[in-house]
Order: sequence, then C-alpha cells, then structure tokens
Amino acid sequence: KAGVTQTPRYLIKTRGQQVTLSCSPISGHRSVSWYQQTPGQGLQFLFEYFSETQRNKGNFPGRFSGRQFSNSRSEMNVSTLELGDSALYLCASNREGRDTQYFGPGTRLTVL
Amino acid sequence: QKEVEQNSGPLSVPEGAIASLNCTYSDRGSQSFFWYRQYSGKSPELIMSIYSNGDKEDGRFTAQLNKASQYVSLLIRDSQPSDSATYLCAVNFYSGNTPLVFGKGTRLSVIA
Repeated sequence: KAGVTQTPRYLIKTRGQQVTLSCSPISGHRSVSWYQQTPGQGLQFLFEYFSETQRNKGNFPGRFSGRQFSNSRSEMNVSTLELGDSALYLCASNREGRDTQYFGPGTRLTVL
Repeated sequence: QKEVEQNSGPLSVPEGAIASLNCTYSDRGSQSFFWYRQYSGKSPELIMSIYSNGDKEDGRFTAQLNKASQYVSLLIRDSQPSDSATYLCAVNFYSGNTPLVFGKGTRLSVIA
C-alpha cells in the first residue's frame, strides 16, 4: 500500500508571497493532519481534516488555512509568507477511529 | 496546557548497549502513546504505540508505560549506529479524534 505523499518536496519563496502544499493520504485513510516542524518549536499541530471538514485546529494565525477534497486529498495554504514560516511541513493520515498517524515525507519551505 | 517533555540530549551510547529514552506528560487521563523515529532531514516514522500500563516489545524495541507516574519510555536493545536519530514521543491526551501532542525529541547517538 502506498504511503502518504506530499508535493512539492522543496519550495523557496519570498516574503509576502503565498504557497500551497498538497498531501495525499494512505488509501482508506480519511483523516489528514498538518504539522509545522522547526528546530526551536518542534512539531506543532496546524489542523486536521476529516470528510472535507476541519475538525481540529491548532494555534496558528489565519494566514494558515487548509481544505480537504472528496477523495481525502488535502491542501494547506500559507498567505503573506514571513521569514518565520520557513519550516518542514508534514502531513499525516490515520484511519477513522484510530489515532495512529503515518507521516508523509514533508515539504521543506524556505522563505527568503 | 497539555505538555510532553523529553530530554533533548544528545544521548550517546556505545554500539551494542541499551539506549533508554524517557518521556513525561502532563495529564494522567491520557489515552494513547507513540514513539516515532526521525532521521535528520526525514519525516517521523512510527516505531510503536502503547495504550496500557506495562511493557510492549517489538523486536529490539520495548515501550514501557506507567500512567500513575505519567511517563513512557522506549528501550532500544543492542543499539546500532543506524539507530542514531531523534526519537519523538507523542501523546493523545483524549480519546477519539484529537490531535497528538509531540515532545521536542531526544537525539540519540550510537557510537561504533
């Protein structure tokens, strides 16, 4: 069974731009969670989607948003990029009713 | 505030020794506990989950959970240089579909 996939793997943007990241969960997994990982803060939860609805949300500004499609694929968007948004963005999926999460390879975002 | 605490390390052990990684968490009612391994520049990879007090073994890995003392540990027997990585502890503080809270990880270095 294929794992979680994320595209693109690397991105370089400048301040003020916006970016969209994509995640395809493991087949059969309908819950998708997004995390930001930085050296100083570790893994921080952004939001979780299930059945095209945001079910949980972390403590991030409104510049961070996401959505989920009917095939469970998810996207996250960051608008008006700041230098501090440079991070590894990780997507994880899990089967409904199970809290074991499986991570994708991540998208490394660099904001210049 | 739900918190997961880990010693950042680095924890250095000689090849063949037992590595012991510890994690404490803030809520005695927590339900699920996970250990992930993350190699430098890669995404977290699930090692094992544990839900009940006691030990759970999987190959060279043993997870130990003590809910009364609010700690969970991971033992790695016969440590190999390939085990050198950052180990992340994650806790689901509630049951059901709630986000995992991650510790910042312990960096393990196995010296050949």
